[in-house]
Amino acid sequence: NAGVMQNPRHLVRRRGQEARLRCSPMKGHSHVYWYRQLPEEGLKFMVYLQKENIIDESGMPKERFSAEFPKEGPSILRIQQVVRGDSAAYFCASSPIRELETQYFGPGTRLLVL
Amino acid sequence: GDSVTQMEGPVTLSEEAFLTINCTYTATGYPSLFWYVQYPGEGLQLLLKATKADDKGSNKGFEATYRKETTSFHLEKGSVQVSDSAVYFCAPGGGGGSNYKLTFGKGTLLTVNP
Repeated sequence: NAGVMQNPRHLVRRRGQEARLRCSPMKGHSHVYWYRQLPEEGLKFMVYLQKENIIDESGMPKERFSAEFPKEGPSILRIQQVVRGDSAAYFCASSPIRELETQYFGPGTRLLVL
Repeated sequence: GDSVTQMEGPVTLSEEAFLTINCTYTATGYPSLFWYVQYPGEGLQLLLKATKADDKGSNKGFEATYRKETTSFHLEKGSVQVSDSAVYFCAPGGGGGSNYKLTFGKGTLLTVNP
C-alpha cells in the first residue's frame, strides 16, 4: 500500500513565477491536509480538503495561495507570483474518513524561490 | 491545539540512555495528542497518540501519557538506540471538531551515539 506521494520533491522558482505542488493521498483516503514548514519553525496547518470541497482554509495566506482536490487526480497546492518568503517545505497529509486526526504525511516538497 | 512548547534541542545521548522530551500545550477543550518522528530525508511518521486524559500512547518502546492537569504529553524511552536518531514533534489536535488541525512544535533533534 503506497504511502502519501508528493511531487516534485524539490522545486526551484524565480520570483514572480507560479509553483504547483501535487499530493496523492494514500489509497482509500479522501481527506487531504497541507502544512507549511518555514525554516527553523514547526509545521503550520494551511488547508483541509475533501474531494471537490475545501473544508477549512483558515491557515492559507489570503492572497496568491490556492488549493484544490478534484474528483479525479491529485490535490494541488498552487502559489502564484512566488516571493522569497514562500521558500519552505510543504507537506501533504491524508487520513481515512473514520480517523481524521490520524494523518499520514508525505515526504514533502522543498520550494526554493530565487 | 492553540500552541505547543517543546523541549529545545539538540539532544545528544549515548546508546541505552534514558530519553525524555518535554511537551506542554495550550488548547481549547481536550484535544487528541500526538508525537510524530521525522527521520533524515523522510516525511513525518506518526509515532504514538493519546485521545483522552490519562491515556498512554506507546510504540517502538516510546511512551507518552496524556496529563490533563498539567497539559503535558512528555515523550519517554527507557533505552534509546542509534536508529532512534531523528527529529521528534509534539502535536496536539485542534480539539472539538477541529482535531484534524494539528499544531506542531519546532521539533527536537535527537542524536544517539553508539
